Amino acid sequence: ELKVEQNPLFLSMQEGKNYTIYCNYSTTSDRLYWYRQDPGKSLESLFVLLSNGAVKQEGRLMASLDTKARLSTLHITAAVHDLSATYFCAVDRLTSGTYKYIFGTGTRLKVLA
Amino acid sequence: DAGVIQSPRHEVTEMGQEVTLRCKPISGHDYLFWYRQTMMRGLELLIYFNNNVPIDDSGMPEDRFSAKMPNASFSTLKIQPSEPRDSAVYFCASSFASGINSYNEQFFGPGTRLTVL
Repeated sequence: ELKVEQNPLFLSMQEGKNYTIYCNYSTTSDRLYWYRQDPGKSLESLFVLLSNGAVKQEGRLMASLDTKARLSTLHITAAVHDLSATYFCAVDRLTSGTYKYIFGTGTRLKVLA
Repeated sequence: DAGVIQSPRHEVTEMGQEVTLRCKPISGHDYLFWYRQTMMRGLELLIYFNNNVPIDDSGMPEDRFSAKMPNASFSTLKIQPSEPRDSAVYFCASSFASGINSYNEQFFGPGTRLTVL
């Protein structure tokens, strides 16, 4: 069974600080996705990581993928209030022509001024 | 492109009534997903379609829920009869994932907030 776990579930941090969100998944998958959801809004795609060692960066966010460890990280550098949101990772696995697409529980990030 | 379109944005109904949620995916996308989000259960995949065909409906909670995709530009999620525990935000998402080296980056609609009294 494909399971995706994120930690921490909640994160409160000061502006200007660095932190990392972790995403672990249970079975082989080479594709991992990060999404952002603002309160009361929909989900927005942030990063698509397609292979072992992949690294993507956008502004203060950097995502990486280690398929051997079944681990992805979302690193926040010098956090600002605008990054306050819930971050989800998701993995998919193509089996017999169909996708199994599983989201993590989400990490609710609050950046304090 | 207008993105994924969902209607209505808000729905308030009484227990026992039929509810129909609608979704128009991004033109050209070949996958369509229905999700439900609640505080208690998080984000749950209910069903998804590939080229209008339902592929996996294992997330549909019970027979009261049904989903259709009569053509590439329209899908419905129906709850009949509705119950208070169905209150949630329902998201529709679409993706294009059928090419060589494809992947499944999903684009979400704004969601329908359903309240069943």
